[in-house]
Amino acid sequence: GAVVSQHPSRVICKSGTSVKIECRSLDFQATTMFWYRQFPKKSLMLMATSNEGSKATYEQGVEKDKFLINHASLTLSTLTVTSAHPEDSSFYICSASTSGLTTGELFFGEGSRLTVL
Amino acid sequence: AQKITQTQPGMFVQEKEAVTLDCTYDTSDPSYGLFWYKQPSSGEMIFLIYQGSYDQQNATEGRYSLNFQKARKSANLVISASQLGDSAMYFCAMREGRRNFNKFYFGSGTKLNVKP
Repeated sequence: GAVVSQHPSRVICKSGTSVKIECRSLDFQATTMFWYRQFPKKSLMLMATSNEGSKATYEQGVEKDKFLINHASLTLSTLTVTSAHPEDSSFYICSASTSGLTTGELFFGEGSRLTVL
Repeated sequence: AQKITQTQPGMFVQEKEAVTLDCTYDTSDPSYGLFWYKQPSSGEMIFLIYQGSYDQQNATEGRYSLNFQKARKSANLVISASQLGDSAMYFCAMREGRRNFNKFYFGSGTKLNVKP
């Protein structure tokens, strides 16, 4: 099946710094990618929809200046957590949809665990 | 209203037995897709099974089957012959219609523990 790769899998940073997480579709072109946030033992919360060549669409309550999303190519989307604070510590997962297929299922990256000290 | 509801935060099952994980959904769109994902402790999301709203038969994938009750708006996952490796979080998800084709809604998840 389609493969989505996410990097880094774990990152620890100091409060006030920025962290960039990359999401790549390895064997298909993803015009749309999605960024989710997952708190411990909780469900996935959609943060934003990343559209290639245009601005991301953010869900209500998600700060667009805090979570910068760039989708520069059909295979790469990046999420930058700016001026990170401890409350930003979480598990971030990206995904891409092969909407051309019948099921249009989501393929997920491995996730990135962010810890802000 | 919640789009996807999973009422079982945790479930236990004996190895080799079958288990049913509940999922109900809410939508007024006649076209939708229902998915189940498995999330082991490593965090990756693994696609298990898919059911389309117009599918006449219940979906099956190996030991996984989806009990699709359209009138009740339920899409329960049945795992037969449970294995220790099935211990994980399980999420039910839905994708609606055409307008928000790419927007998935996830339930709160069910943590399954398989006992030896």
